[in-house]
Amino acid sequence: TQLLEQSPQFLSIQEGENLTVYCNSSSVFSSLQWYRQEPGEGPVLLVTVVTGGEVKKLKRLTFQFGDARKDSSLHITAAQTGDTGLYLCAGAGDYKLSFGAGTTVTVRA
Amino acid sequence: GAVVSQHPSRVICKSGTSVKIECRSLDFQATTMFWYRQFPKQSLMLMATSNEGSKATYEQGVEKDKFLINHASLTLSTLTVTSAHPEDSSFYICSANPGQSRSEAFFGQGTRLTVV
Repeated sequence: TQLLEQSPQFLSIQEGENLTVYCNSSSVFSSLQWYRQEPGEGPVLLVTVVTGGEVKKLKRLTFQFGDARKDSSLHITAAQTGDTGLYLCAGAGDYKLSFGAGTTVTVRA
Repeated sequence: GAVVSQHPSRVICKSGTSVKIECRSLDFQATTMFWYRQFPKQSLMLMATSNEGSKATYEQGVEKDKFLINHASLTLSTLTVTSAHPEDSSFYICSANPGQSRSEAFFGQGTRLTVV
C-alpha cells in the first residue's frame, strides 16, 4: 500500500494545454518533494515544499502544499513536449522518503 | 545541486554471476545512501538504506544475502547482486542526501541490469 496516492496515473495532453497532478496522503509530512524522471535516468528534484499552504513557482510549474501538509499538487501551464516524463511526489519521514506511485505525463506535439 | 554518480549505467550478465553497482557522491559526503529498484513505468521501491561504517538496513522482503551492500567510505556505496537470475533484471537507482537535510534526495543516473 502506497503511503502517498498520486493521481492520475497516466496523463496525455496536447502541447499548450494545462495539467495538474495530485499527491494525497493520510499522513503529515515535514516536507514534500516533487521529482521528474525521464526514461533510463534517475529522478531529478524539482522542488521541496515545507510550509502548509505554501505555493512555489518554477517557470511554468506551480507547486502547492496543503494547509495540513498531507497533500500537494503540481500544475503545469502551457505544457511543452519537454515536460514529458514520470512525475513523482515524495514525503519526508524520519530518515527516508516515501514515494507516490508516479504520474506518467505525455505531451504530444 | 549535489551530484551523485552511478556506475555502470547498463550491464548485461549471465545467470549465476554477480554484478556490482557503484554509487558515489561527487561533491559532498553522505553517511547515508539509499538503494531503489524500479520496474517499467512504476515508482521507486526502496530496497535498503546504506549506512557508512555499519550494516545496511533492508526493507521487508529484500534478501540481504542476495543484495549485498557495502558503504566503506563517506562517498561510496556499492550494491552487489549475487547469483543473479533473470527476475533480478531491473533498473536500480541510488540516492544520497547532502548536508544535514534528510529530506532532499539526489539520485544517480540508474543502472539497467539485464540477466540472461
